[in-house]
Amino acid sequence: QVQLVQSGAEVKKPGASVKVSCKASGYTFTSYDINWVRQASGQGLEWMGWMNPNSGHTGYAQKFRGRVTLTRNTSISTAYMELSTLKSEDTAVYFCARASSWGSSTYYFDSWGQGALVTVSS
Amino acid sequence: QSVLTQPPSASATPGQRVTISCSGSSSNIGSNSVNWYQQLPRTAPKLVIYSNNQRPSGVPDRFSGSKSGTSASLAISGLLSEDEADFYCATWDDSLNAVVFGGGTKLTVL
Repeated sequence: QVQLVQSGAEVKKPGASVKVSCKASGYTFTSYDINWVRQASGQGLEWMGWMNPNSGHTGYAQKFRGRVTLTRNTSISTAYMELSTLKSEDTAVYFCARASSWGSSTYYFDSWGQGALVTVSS
Repeated sequence: QSVLTQPPSASATPGQRVTISCSGSSSNIGSNSVNWYQQLPRTAPKLVIYSNNQRPSGVPDRFSGSKSGTSASLAISGLLSEDEADFYCATWDDSLNAVVFGGGTKLTVL
């Protein structure tokens, strides 16, 4: 079965960087985009960006451009999200999600990681 | 402020039907299909409807979706207490080149 297993909780100081991993299993890692979505406590879902694990191509939400970097290691079927220059407002649960698509107008997240809590505090 | 607009809350009694709306614009819902996610407390979201009205394997047929123009809706019939959760609509926005979510609707089963 498809599984996405994320790394554990992190505590970081303002200004630091964090790198969260997402290990995929149960399918061909390079065949599906991986997206990243975050959720602050009590708030809604916020999309951060996507990565094609085959080509390495990425796309980022305007809000995070310049601060987020999505990468992958295909040999171990793992995707990474690195967020730099952390602020207290970046405290949130970060999810990875596998994306499936049909044609040019259908794109959805059919499997999610369990989430990784990142706390930014001095 | 979310790009897609959902009511913050909805409620109904067990066995009833409830509908949750999602309003967007020509660059998102008007151009692309809509997906719905259910998030139970302290868990990851789960896909319940994709491509406007398709149910993934394992999702009960009590869940249905529809889309018309720049709006979409999720309907849940025969409500169960276990359906109590937050629901989010989402789609791609061609102007923003981004996935956009609604603000979420908290469904309470009274």
